Amino acid sequence: QLQLQESGSGLVKPSQTLSLTCAVSGDSLSSGGYSWSWIRQPPGKGLEWIGYIYHSGSTYYNPSLKSRVTISVDRSKKQFSLRLSSVTAADTALYYCARALTSSSGGFDYWGQGTLVTVSS
Amino acid sequence: IQMTQSPSSLSASVGDTVAITCRASQSISNYLNWYQQKPGKAPELLISSASNLEDAVPSRFSGSGSGTEFTLAINSLQPEDSATYFCQQSYSASQVTFGQGTRLEI
Repeated sequence: QLQLQESGSGLVKPSQTLSLTCAVSGDSLSSGGYSWSWIRQPPGKGLEWIGYIYHSGSTYYNPSLKSRVTISVDRSKKQFSLRLSSVTAADTALYYCARALTSSSGGFDYWGQGTLVTVSS
Repeated sequence: IQMTQSPSSLSASVGDTVAITCRASQSISNYLNWYQQKPGKAPELLISSASNLEDAVPSRFSGSGSGTEFTLAINSLQPEDSATYFCQQSYSASQVTFGQGTRLEI
C-alpha cells in the first residue's frame, strides 16, 4: 500500500524559502508511469497545483509560481521535495504531496495527509 | 485552462439525486477527474477520465461528458456524501487546474 508523508517547516518568515519533503513508502520513485506532485490549499479555499516531477526527473510547474518553485527527487531516500522562495502571507496553506498516473487522465490517486505552512513574522 | 464548477454549494436530502457541472475554458477531451474532500482530510479520487469510477467508490457516483462540459452525478444520496467536490483537468501537462469546488450538504 502506497503511503505519502509530508514534513518540513510549519512556520516560515516572509521573504524566506519554504522547504517541504514527501516521504514515499510502498512504491519506487524510479518506476515509470507516475508523476509526483505538490498541491496546496489555503485555509477554507480550493486546491492549487504547484508542480510535479516525473520519474525521468523532468519537472513541470504552475506558471503562476514557476519563478519561485523547485521540485526535486532523492530516490535513495525515497522522497521528493518542494522549495518555494520569497514567500508571502499568500503562500500560507495546507501543502499536500500526491501521485498521479501519467498514462491516463492524470488523476491524483494517492495523497499525503497534508502539512500546514504558515507564513508570518 | 480555467475550470468553472456550478453550483458552488447545494443542499439535498437523503435519497435525492444531484448533479455538479464542471466547464472547461477550452476542450480537454476526457482529461477530467473528480474528487471528494471531507473536512480535515485530503481529497480522494472518485472518477478519472471523465467517467471511470475508481476502485471502492460506490456505484451511486457517476461521471459523464467530454470536451468542455462534464457532470458528476450522485444518486441515492447518503449522509456520508456530505463533502466538497472538485473537478480537475490535466489536458495540458504543464497546466493542471482545479475547479473552485462545490460544497454538498445533506
